[in-house]
Amino acid sequence: NAGVTQTPKFQVLKTGQSMTLQCAQDMNHNSMYWYRQDPGMGLRLIYYSASEGTTDKGEVPNGYNVSRLNKREFSLRLESAAPSQTSVYFCASNFFPAESSGANVLTFGAGSRLTVL
Amino acid sequence: DAKTTQPNSMESNEEEPVHLPCNHSTISGTDYIHWYRQLPSQGPEYVIHGLTSNVNNRMASLAIAEDRKSSTLILHRATLRDAAVYYCILRATGNQFYFGTGTSLTVIP
Repeated sequence: NAGVTQTPKFQVLKTGQSMTLQCAQDMNHNSMYWYRQDPGMGLRLIYYSASEGTTDKGEVPNGYNVSRLNKREFSLRLESAAPSQTSVYFCASNFFPAESSGANVLTFGAGSRLTVL
Repeated sequence: DAKTTQPNSMESNEEEPVHLPCNHSTISGTDYIHWYRQLPSQGPEYVIHGLTSNVNNRMASLAIAEDRKSSTLILHRATLRDAAVYYCILRATGNQFYFGTGTSLTVIP
């Protein structure tokens, strides 16, 4: 199984450019998440989607938009990139509510490294 | 949201047990305690989780204090492959997982 797939793996943008990070999962999970991780820091939640058709803000949503395209896909868009958005972005998914607490655990993608010049 | 507190870093000798502590004094009765780890240049991966009772799986053991205000992740025999950042997280209502800065584990050969 592929699990959670993120594209692209690397991207360099100039300030003001826009781009979309793509995320897809093949585990039939209903909930999906976007995190960012800055050097030497933990992960911070940007947005999450509890189910298809719903999205909610996390800790650091400013400067981002998201789209839950269908059950499998959850994209993160930077409309006007800024150097402060240079980071590694991780997508994750899980079941919620879950029949068992074990099914609730998060599965992460490999990450997308974004540099904004 | 309930928060967790972990030491920034720890060291262990290879093949020795490692006890990684986590404090979560504001935990509520329905919060699950999750542990994830992040190997260098990879996304986090699930390690173990529990609610009240101690838990064991093939990767580790989780010891939860009776008052649930703290927990300890136990790696029974540290290997070089266990060198990673370990995150202790509370899965609160609303299914949101908030990561702190974690504990960076160094395994010494």
